[in-house]
Amino acid sequence: DAGVIQSPRHEVTEMGQEVTLRCKPISGHDYLFWYRQTMMRGLELLIYFNNNVPIDDSGMPEDRFSAKMPNASFSTLKIQPSEPRDSAVYFCASNRQGATGGYTFGSGTRLTVV
Amino acid sequence: SQQGEEDPQALSIQEGENATMNCSYKTSINNLQWYRQNSGRGLVHLILIRSNEREKHSGRLRVTLDTSKKSSSLLITASRAADTASYFCATDRSGSARQLTFGSGTQLTVLP
Repeated sequence: DAGVIQSPRHEVTEMGQEVTLRCKPISGHDYLFWYRQTMMRGLELLIYFNNNVPIDDSGMPEDRFSAKMPNASFSTLKIQPSEPRDSAVYFCASNRQGATGGYTFGSGTRLTVV
Repeated sequence: SQQGEEDPQALSIQEGENATMNCSYKTSINNLQWYRQNSGRGLVHLILIRSNEREKHSGRLRVTLDTSKKSSSLLITASRAADTASYFCATDRSGSARQLTFGSGTQLTVLP
């Protein structure tokens, strides 16, 4: 298995632009999580899905953030409009119901908003 | 918000020495997990200990859990330069349906 795949690896955009981050979870995993990592706030859970349905989005910072999971193999996190304070590394992770192990994380997308 | 607080924030040791990192948390948990993050990379799951377990081993890793003190420790024995990374504890809270909350991390540097 190729693991959790995120794209792009790096994104530099101007303030006000729309940004879309993408994630492909591991096949067979029915949970998908979006985390954000910054020096100041550490790792924060933004939203998670179970069987493609958003379960808890209380971590989404503002209405500018939205996430979708149209099918079991794809999820997007969108920021519109982006702001410099959104600069962070965004991670996607997946897991399987009943699994005894932990989450499998992607390599992350480093977002810089200038 | 961060559930776990880790101690120390940074640790520097010589190759071959043991490294101990501690994690404290605030609420009841189902399990506690440890992850490693190499610079510029994603997190890698190391080990999971359930709330009814007190100690667990995996290779050179030893994890303890004291639910009465709401604390855990990760011991890496015979450290290697390749162990240099940030280490995070993460708690799976009771009743939270699989949400992991991460601590602030310990940056471990193993000097060759």
